[in-house]
Parts: sequence; C-alpha cells; structure tokens
Amino acid sequence: AQSVTQLGSHVSVSEGALVLLRCNYSSSVPPYLFWYVQYPNQGLQLLLKYTTGATLVKGINGFEAEFKKSETSFHLTKPSAHMSDAAEYFCAVIPLGGANNLFFGTGTRLTVIP
Amino acid sequence: KAGVTQTPRYLIKTRGQQVTLSCSPISGHRSVSWYQQTPGQGLQFLFEYFSETQRNKGNFPGRFSGRQFSNSRSEMNVSTLELGDSALYLCASSDTGNYGYTFGSGTRLTVV
Repeated sequence: AQSVTQLGSHVSVSEGALVLLRCNYSSSVPPYLFWYVQYPNQGLQLLLKYTTGATLVKGINGFEAEFKKSETSFHLTKPSAHMSDAAEYFCAVIPLGGANNLFFGTGTRLTVIP
Repeated sequence: KAGVTQTPRYLIKTRGQQVTLSCSPISGHRSVSWYQQTPGQGLQFLFEYFSETQRNKGNFPGRFSGRQFSNSRSEMNVSTLELGDSALYLCASSDTGNYGYTFGSGTRLTVV
C-alpha cells in the first residue's frame, strides 16, 4: 500500500528563517507528488506538484520542492518564513498505474514565531 | 473562474439520521472526488466520479454513497449517521489528466 511519511507533526521557525518540511514516500516507482496547505477552517490549496520533468518545482507563495528519487523524498522549502505561512501542510501522492486519488501524509503544522 | 463550491458549510445532525452534502466543481471539470478529514484518521479518500460514473472508491462502509449529475455537480450521502462520522468533508474537482485538484472549503459535519 502507498504510504507517505511527513517527519515532524509540528515545526516552529522564526520569521525570516528557512522553512523545511519533510516528506518521504514508500513506493519503488516514483509517484506523482504534491504539497497542499490548509488554513484554519479552509479547504486545501495546492502549493506545487511534480509529475514529470525538472525535479526542482517552484510553487506559489515562494515555496519550492525537490524530487529526489534516490532518497524517495519531496521536501518543501521556503527561504524566508512569513507570518502568513503559519498553517498545516500536507504532502500527497498519486501512485502511477493506479487510480487517480490522492494519498495524504498526516500533515505538519507550521508555526512562525515573530 | 469560480472555485469549487460546497454546501452547506456547517451541519449538525443526530445519530441515526442521514445527510446529503453538495459539491459544484469548477466549470469544465468533469472529475469530482470526495475526502473525509478527521483528527484521528487524517485525510482519507471516499470516492471519485467522472462523467456521472463512480470511477474509484475508498475503503468506507456502504453507508457512504455519492452520485454525479450531468452538469458535473456531485452529492454525497451518509445514512444512519454515527458519532465517528463527524468530520470535515472535502470535495475536489480536476480537469482530465491534469492532476491539478482544486478543493472546496469543505462541509463540517457534526453528529451528536
């Protein structure tokens, strides 16, 4: 079964510091990879996705993620945290060759300290 | 372009009742998926509809059902509600082959 692991259910960073949220997937065949953000009482907003092509993917709000096949990882980064980045972040995958539904990690809550 | 619209936003129901949630996808999107979000189980896939046909189903009991209309709008129904059905139910629509799923704001269901 497909599994997505997000290391760290809570991450705190100072405003202006680097944001690094970790995501690893379990399949031997790399799936399609996604990062979503959820603000309180809201749905999920797509930050970025990797399907094919360049392994460094740039998304909205200054976020980017790099697909590393050798490490089965797709970590999310942002060079400088802003207060408005405080939210919950979900890594998700769609396995290749299967149905098109998303499998989500358990989420990482990001706190930004002023 | 209007986003994915889910109604109602909040709902309180009693155990044993049934409930219907609605989702209007982005115009032109033919795929609609439903997800359940709870603190304990996280985000779990319920089902996906494409062109009025259920294309994929998650591991939920038969009390959970859905349908899609010719205009791509979708409804999901939960019968004989249990306390554990309390959750945020999210709907997502996508363009064919795009994998750019757009989520609605969800319906918060509370079962008392």
